[in-house]
Amino acid sequence: GQQVMQIPQYQHVQEGEDFTTYCNSSTTLSNIQWYKQRPGGHPVFLIQLVKSGEVKKQKRLTFQFGEAKKNSSLHITATQTTDVGTYFCAGRIGNGQNFVFGPGTRLSVLP
Amino acid sequence: EPEVTQTPSHQVTQMGQEVILRCVPISNHLYFYWYRQILGQKVEFLVSFYNNEISEKSEIFDDQFSVERPDGSNFTLKIRSTKLEDSAMYFCASTWQMNTEAFFGQGTRLTVV
Repeated sequence: GQQVMQIPQYQHVQEGEDFTTYCNSSTTLSNIQWYKQRPGGHPVFLIQLVKSGEVKKQKRLTFQFGEAKKNSSLHITATQTTDVGTYFCAGRIGNGQNFVFGPGTRLSVLP
Repeated sequence: EPEVTQTPSHQVTQMGQEVILRCVPISNHLYFYWYRQILGQKVEFLVSFYNNEISEKSEIFDDQFSVERPDGSNFTLKIRSTKLEDSAMYFCASTWQMNTEAFFGQGTRLTVV
């Protein structure tokens, strides 16, 4: 079946360190979205990437979509305690309305 | 800021009972979704709804599940005969267009005992 994988599953960093999570799909994606879910909260949309090789930045967050549109990454520079949460990628395959969520990377930031 | 609202926030039900989870999507959104998340696990797609009909559904969304948009504002998920494994957080989401950001509600935590 259609699968979207993410690594790592967990990441513990010291405040100020960088963090990267990687998303891989077994199928070419039409586009990819990233969401953040705080503990006990709901997914909150961060960004959408559509074009092959696209790179977008939001302050300390950098999002990248691979050339083959099968992988994506989210990089956080100089993490802060407010970055704590689970980061999910969600890929859309073909013309479907459904976004397939990856299992998420849970980020802990130690002060 | 507009938001998706869900009620109740927590529902406890006995196995075999019917439950209805309610959602009020953002008013000018056209696409509506239900997802579920078993504790600590990933967000799983259940169903999408557009133009008053189901547009896509997953394998999870079997005959025990149904969705309705009974009026211009509410969007409901019904589980006819709940099982223990239906225990999860259920999220409603809506989008303005198919390919735009999804706004998620706060979720309903369903506990089947």
